[in-house]
Amino acid sequence: QKEVEQDPGPLSVPEGAIVSLNCTYSNSAFQYFMWYRQYSRKGPELLMYTYSSGNKEDGRFTAQVDKSSKYISLFIRDSQPSDSATYLCAMKGQGTNAGKSTFGDGTTLTVKP
Amino acid sequence: KAGVTQTPRYLIKTRGQQVTLSCSPISGHRSVSWYQQTPGQGLQFLFEYFSETQRNKGNFPGRFSGRQFSNSRSEMNVSTLELGDSALYLCASSLSGKNTEAFFGQGTRLTVV
Repeated sequence: QKEVEQDPGPLSVPEGAIVSLNCTYSNSAFQYFMWYRQYSRKGPELLMYTYSSGNKEDGRFTAQVDKSSKYISLFIRDSQPSDSATYLCAMKGQGTNAGKSTFGDGTTLTVKP
Repeated sequence: KAGVTQTPRYLIKTRGQQVTLSCSPISGHRSVSWYQQTPGQGLQFLFEYFSETQRNKGNFPGRFSGRQFSNSRSEMNVSTLELGDSALYLCASSLSGKNTEAFFGQGTRLTVV
């Protein structure tokens, strides 16, 4: 079983929809949670970086972390065609393992005009 | 501020050859991590370097190696290339790797024929 499981998708939504992307994890040592967006033929771009349980908002994006359930989500409000990309969740621990991130397999999102 | 620079962007090599990839981190960042991305396995951690020392290592064979120089630039080397080594190789830099965000380069796409 993988340490990080991500809803596989693909996901196709109309422009303006609210998108929910989700990951679960099994390793209690994970303390930092990230969401990356990756366009085709590009490197992953960091969208959100959170430490504690709760919500963190940045513009149209909200990251939610529930450590008790080992569940994280990314919400995209008022989705745009430019949001079409693959979204990757990632997690890492502290101490000697903090330089290593473990990624989900990604969810490909298409936002249709 | 310049981002993470990876060179070359594309490489074609023959089975059995070796290859060296380069990564220049964001100025001031001292941690460099390397990842392999393939359609079947997703993003997998190779290793992390901090202050010229390997601090973390993933589950890859010894054919995969790396190093970091005093200016934080890093190289990774793959010897005796196999067809299965064809992938996008990504490096990510962060200030310290521990509780700081990681930013990715565009990657080097390696094709082994």
